[in-house]
Amino acid sequence: GQSLEQPSEVTAVEGAIVQINCTYQTSGFYGLSWYQQHDGGAPTFLSYNALDGLEETGRFSSFLSRSDSYGYLLLQELQMKDSASYFCAVKIGYQKVTFGTGTKLQVIP
Amino acid sequence: EAEVAQSPRYKITEKSQAVAFWCDPISGHATLYWYRQILGQGPELLVQFQDESVVDDSQLPKDRFSAERLKGVDSTLKIQPAELGDSAMYLCASSTTTGYNEQFFGPGTRLTVL
Repeated sequence: GQSLEQPSEVTAVEGAIVQINCTYQTSGFYGLSWYQQHDGGAPTFLSYNALDGLEETGRFSSFLSRSDSYGYLLLQELQMKDSASYFCAVKIGYQKVTFGTGTKLQVIP
Repeated sequence: EAEVAQSPRYKITEKSQAVAFWCDPISGHATLYWYRQILGQGPELLVQFQDESVVDDSQLPKDRFSAERLKGVDSTLKIQPAELGDSAMYLCASSTTTGYNEQFFGPGTRLTVL
């Protein structure tokens, strides 16, 4: 089976940096994705890491350590619109991912 | 920009009734997924199609749920009979068969069972 752990809630100040961690245990592993979901909206893809290291896309970066079964999403220069839920998802097979329970990020002024 | 379409957006039904949800994936996407999302939780895969074939329905409650994708394009998810515990958001997503499996989600159908 698979299990993913993320903090349930995180609060951060506008303009600051926040890191959302994800640890996983899976029977197979191809890579780690991150999705953003605003209240009432659909999840949208943010990033994917298949190899160890940091991937940067604008204000968002994602990190993976396969040996530690660990990854994180780093959000810089936080904006109010970044308030949303963030899900890590492990790719465990061909075209298949398992989602974590999500981290609700609240950005405060 | 191409999007995944779903209908209806909202559905209220009484328990024991039948409900159906429709999804039209992005054109050319061979893989289609149906997820159920309970408030405060992550999406849970119900069924995955590759073209018209089911490749994973291990989490689909087959005594009451059914899904089809007859021509390998759009898809229908049905619940009969609906139960109170089925109240949730039902999300459809699609992806190509290449690359890292970025999934594109539709707006979802919010189901309330009374």
